[in-house]
Amino acid sequence: GQQVMQIPQYQHVQEGEDFTTYCNSSTTLSNIQWYKQRPGGHPVFLIQLVKSGEVKKQKRLTFQFGEAKKNSSLHITATQTTDVGTYFCAGSNAGGTSYGKLTFGQGTILTVHP
Amino acid sequence: EAQVTQNPRYLITVTGKKLTVTCSQNMNHEYMSWYRQDPGLGLRQIYYSMNVEVTDKGDVPEGYKVSRKEKRNFPLILESPSPNQTSLYFCASSGPTDAPLHFGNGTRLTVT
Repeated sequence: GQQVMQIPQYQHVQEGEDFTTYCNSSTTLSNIQWYKQRPGGHPVFLIQLVKSGEVKKQKRLTFQFGEAKKNSSLHITATQTTDVGTYFCAGSNAGGTSYGKLTFGQGTILTVHP
Repeated sequence: EAQVTQNPRYLITVTGKKLTVTCSQNMNHEYMSWYRQDPGLGLRQIYYSMNVEVTDKGDVPEGYKVSRKEKRNFPLILESPSPNQTSLYFCASSGPTDAPLHFGNGTRLTVT
């Protein structure tokens, strides 16, 4: 079945440093979504990427979707303490029998030290 | 306010005692899904539903049941809970498939 691997599992940074989390799928994806979960909270949708090679920005956050639509990354520039939480990627298979299933990566837990 | 409501938020029970976690959404979403979250394993899909009376297994369906008799409700049923079902559970909904998911606040279940 479809697998989505996300690395690293943990990342500790000093405030002001950059942060990147990577997501790799075993199959070609129709789209990838990114979510953020604050400590004690629920996942909240950040963005969706659909096109091969797509790059989207939200203030200090930059999201990329690979050319082969099998990998993605989230980069945060100059982290702030408000960035703490767990970041998840989630991908849907490009057709096939997995229609309707969104597979999540394991998540990256980001800690920001002031 | 558009939301997904799960109840209860916390539940402690004993092995074998049937329980139901309710999930309701007020956004007229067709797609609903249940996930469990465990440390190091991320969010794993239990069951999902594309519409009323249409449900399908996710990646970890063993020990769970669901039903979708109405569009707004998607309860998760544990007929005979076991300690390995101790976890944080999230219900989520979305409009069309592949649309962003809206999550409930979660239910932390402990089975002793």
